[in-house]
Amino acid sequence: KNQVEQSPQSLIILEGKNCTLQCNYTVSPFSNLRWYKQDTGRGPVSLTIMTFSENTKSNGRYTATLDADTKQSSLHITASQLSDSASYICVVSRNSGNTPLVFGKGTRLSVIA
Amino acid sequence: NAGVTQTPKFQVLKTGQSMTLQCAQDMNHEYMSWYRQDPGMGLRLIHYSVGAGITDQGEVPNGYNVSRSTTEDFPLRLLSAAPSQTSVYFCASSYSRTGGSSGNTIYFGEGSWLTVV
Repeated sequence: KNQVEQSPQSLIILEGKNCTLQCNYTVSPFSNLRWYKQDTGRGPVSLTIMTFSENTKSNGRYTATLDADTKQSSLHITASQLSDSASYICVVSRNSGNTPLVFGKGTRLSVIA
Repeated sequence: NAGVTQTPKFQVLKTGQSMTLQCAQDMNHEYMSWYRQDPGMGLRLIHYSVGAGITDQGEVPNGYNVSRSTTEDFPLRLLSAAPSQTSVYFCASSYSRTGGSSGNTIYFGEGSWLTVV
């Protein structure tokens, strides 16, 4: 079954600290993996997109890694800010089927002062 | 640049009523889709379209209809609203269906909050 599992479900960190969010998937055939940020009451916004051959991709203070062999990805946030408080969603694209995108349930991050 | 625009933002319906959620994009994207987001669940695909005049069902299509008469617009119709359709609905668009190996960005609208009582 095609699934995307994210951990932790929620996380609270102090402003300025770093954190890492995890994503494990059992999706095939694999096309690419995306991380999205979703602020409360808003639509998801793309952070990174990685294909099979890419191991890491950065977007400012966000760095995503991909291990296609173990089917794991992580999103590392450096020097967190209050504005980083949001849900972070891992999405894996398949190369076939009517539902090519498989969404994780997200990790809810709260950054506190 | 408006991107993906959804209306209305909020709507309350009575059971059995019908309504249409509007979605428009100004990026000339061929692929558009509708998702619903429920607490504790990932986004689930309702319907999608790969171009004007072409639509297909996603994971949870029952109770919804779509049409794609133009490249820009992709409305979602609730035929006879049920409490189980209480959810947040997101419209999305992209250059291609899966994004492919090049990983085309998928753009989401701001969401439509629907409550069916």
